[in-house]
Amino acid sequence: QKEVEQDPGPLSVPEGAIVSLNCTYSNSAFQYFMWYRQYSRKGPELLMYTYSSGNKEDGRFTAQVDKSSKYISLFIRDSQPSDSATYLCAMNTGFQKLVFGTGTRLLVSP
Amino acid sequence: DTEVTQTPKHLVMGMTNKKSLKCEQHMGHRAMYWYKQKAKKPPELMFVYSYEKLSINESVPSRFSPECPNSSLLNLHLHALQPEDSALYLCASSQAVRENEQFFGPGTRLTVL
Repeated sequence: QKEVEQDPGPLSVPEGAIVSLNCTYSNSAFQYFMWYRQYSRKGPELLMYTYSSGNKEDGRFTAQVDKSSKYISLFIRDSQPSDSATYLCAMNTGFQKLVFGTGTRLLVSP
Repeated sequence: DTEVTQTPKHLVMGMTNKKSLKCEQHMGHRAMYWYKQKAKKPPELMFVYSYEKLSINESVPSRFSPECPNSSLLNLHLHALQPEDSALYLCASSQAVRENEQFFGPGTRLTVL
């Protein structure tokens, strides 16, 4: 079993839809949770960073962490074609090594 | 300046060549990282430098040799690579204390012939 599981997609939605992206994990020691967006042939861009459980909102993006279920989510409201990218979850215990999910490819059609 | 820059953007090299990848950041970060990313896969950690000292080597073959000349610069020296080493090489940096927020550069796309 992988430490972090993420559906590779692709996830196709129409413009304006609410998108839900998810990861599950097995290591209960994970404390820090991140979401990265990666456009094709570019480096990952840090979108959201959350410590422990709870919600965090930034514009159209909301990150949720449920440590009891070992489940994290990223919600994108009013999705735009420019949101089409691969979304990677990443997490760690507080030390330097990030553990990434495989990434979910999102396609938002006009 | 909130960017991590990497040069070159693209590199094609033969298996007998020696080349270097360069990474620079001016955010005052004291931890810097090299990752390798193959198509449709997540980044894989290769090396971590903390305060200019190598702190993690993820059992990377010796044909990859990292160097951190100062707190802003990170190099990756390449020698006698194999075609399977072709990938996107990503540099990242983070503040030494808040090491979880890693900021990535755009990457160098390496092709080994």
